Amino acid sequence: QVQLVQSGAEVKKPGASVKVSCKASGYTFISSDINWVRQASGQGLEWMGWVNPNSGNTGHAQKFQGRVTMTWDTSISTAYMELSSLRSEDTAVYYCARWIALAGANWGQGTLVTVSS
Amino acid sequence: QSALTQPPSASGSPGQSVTISCTGTSSDVGAYNFVSWYQQHPGKAPKLMIYEVSKRPSGVPDRFSGSKSGNTASLTVSGLQAEDEADYYCSSFAGSNNLPFGGGTKLTVL
Repeated sequence: QVQLVQSGAEVKKPGASVKVSCKASGYTFISSDINWVRQASGQGLEWMGWVNPNSGNTGHAQKFQGRVTMTWDTSISTAYMELSSLRSEDTAVYYCARWIALAGANWGQGTLVTVSS
Repeated sequence: QSALTQPPSASGSPGQSVTISCTGTSSDVGAYNFVSWYQQHPGKAPKLMIYEVSKRPSGVPDRFSGSKSGNTASLTVSGLQAEDEADYYCSSFAGSNNLPFGGGTKLTVL
């Protein structure tokens, strides 16, 4: 069965960077886009961006321009999302998801990133 | 990149039907047949319930159905069950690198 397993919770100081990993199994890694979505406590879902492990193409929401980097390692079926210049408003649960037909078909368990001085 | 508009809450009794709306614009919901709906229980990851406006992934009960008219998409849950109580989010493709979500609707089963 398809599984996406994310790295553990992180606590970062303002201005630092965080890198979240997402290890995929149960399907051919390069066959689907991986998207990243975040959710602040008690708030809604916010789409961040995507990576296509086959083509190497990536994209992100304009809001994260200059701060987000999405990478991958095909050899270990893992995608990464790095967010820099962290501020308190970036405190949220970050999800990776396998995207099919422009929808999140399978989701990771989420990674809590806390930004606090 | 504006969010889609959903009612904050909806409710129904067991066995009844409830419909949740998702209003966008002619640049997102109205322009593409790539509207999806997600169910999220507290502390859990979202689960895809509907994609491409009205398609159900394998394993999703046929009590869940989706539709679209103009700039508004809808999710209907028929034969409400206690386990349907959750938050529901819509999303729509809106062009390159633009995929807004709705603010979410809390569905309560009375």
